[in-house]
Amino acid sequence: AQSVAQPEDQVNVAEGNPLTVKCTYSVSGNPYLFWYVQYPNRGLQFLLKYITGDNLVKGSYGFEAEFNKSQTSFHLKKPSALVSDSALYFCAVRDIRSGGYQKVTFGTGTKLQVIP
Amino acid sequence: KAGVTQTPRYLIKTRGQQVTLSCSPISGHRSVSWYQQTPGQGLQFLFEYFSETQRNKGNFPGRFSGRQFSNSRSEMNVSTLELGDSALYLCASTSGGAADTQYFGPGTRLTVL
Repeated sequence: AQSVAQPEDQVNVAEGNPLTVKCTYSVSGNPYLFWYVQYPNRGLQFLLKYITGDNLVKGSYGFEAEFNKSQTSFHLKKPSALVSDSALYFCAVRDIRSGGYQKVTFGTGTKLQVIP
Repeated sequence: KAGVTQTPRYLIKTRGQQVTLSCSPISGHRSVSWYQQTPGQGLQFLFEYFSETQRNKGNFPGRFSGRQFSNSRSEMNVSTLELGDSALYLCASTSGGAADTQYFGPGTRLTVL
């Protein structure tokens, strides 16, 4: 079975500092990995995804994530945090393996608080 | 291109009633997935429909059901509502490929009293 873990319920960072939101995953085959952001009373918005190729993926709003197969991680990063980045962030995985089309599994979310 | 739309945006029901939620995907998208979001459980997968067929199903009781129409619009139904069904219900659409990005609607906030 596939799973994804976001070990931190909340991350606090000062405006202008780099931020990291952690994500680890477990799959039987190969993973497709996604990051989404959710602002209050809104649906989820896509940030970036890893399918194949370069381990460093760049996405929207200056976010990037690095796929690390040996550590089964896909941490979300941004060099300089903005107050407007404060939101709920979700990591998601789809297991790519034989035997059918698998669903997407989401982590429990990490609340990012950027302090002015 | 219009985004994913969900109706209604807010619903208040009482225990024992049933409810139907609607989702219209992005034009051209053939896959619709449904999720339940609660503060304690995060996003829980309900089911996915592709070309009117259920392609995947989560671990929810049979009170939760869904369907997809030939125009790709989808509905989900919850019968015999329980207090624990109070949640934000999100739908997401894609073209149907495994690597596709899911595009989410704004959700339907269901409150069961």
